[in-house]
Amino acid sequence: KNEVEQSPQNLTAQEGEFITINCSYSVGISALHWLQQHPGGGIVSLFMLSSGKKKHGRLIATINIQEKHSSLHITASHPRDSAVYICAVLDSNYQLIWGAGTKLIIKP
Amino acid sequence: DSGVTQTPKHLITATGQRVTLRCSPRSGDLSVYWYQQSLDQGLQFLIHYYNGEERAKGNILERFSAQQFPDLHSELNLSSLELGDSALYFCASSRTTHEKLFFGSGTQLSVL
Repeated sequence: KNEVEQSPQNLTAQEGEFITINCSYSVGISALHWLQQHPGGGIVSLFMLSSGKKKHGRLIATINIQEKHSSLHITASHPRDSAVYICAVLDSNYQLIWGAGTKLIIKP
Repeated sequence: DSGVTQTPKHLITATGQRVTLRCSPRSGDLSVYWYQQSLDQGLQFLIHYYNGEERAKGNILERFSAQQFPDLHSELNLSSLELGDSALYFCASSRTTHEKLFFGSGTQLSVL
């Protein structure tokens, strides 16, 4: 079993839909990152969470430390949101462990 | 522009050779992480340096080594290269270990 599990692996939705991507982890962590990778390969950090909730524009990230679970939400999704979204956790040994990613396609 | 610079952008070499990949973190960032991204294995954490010292090792082969210099730039050395080492190598930096990561654009290594 992977230490960081993301679901779904693939998600296709229509423009305007509310999107949720989930991340569950089995190790003790000190931080959790949500990252976005576009088809060109570049990786952008969206959020770093250690507790609670963060919002930036149409993106919202939450984390529940007790349940070892985090979600990334996208409101009013747009085709430019199409990308791979990656959850990564910083464990107690300072290793950054990655999920397998969620490939999101938003159709116009 | 993330402020993280990786050189070279592309590298083509032969099996058995040795290469050095360079990463210049954002100004003031103390943490540097190295990752390997290949088609079959996704993103693999290699190694983490903090303020010149190795902080954590991931799935880094013995043929690979890295270091972070006093000016905080980092180098990843890959030796006795094999075909399977062909991948995109990313570095990322952050001010501390608990802040957002900023990624370089990667070095695409092709071993022929």
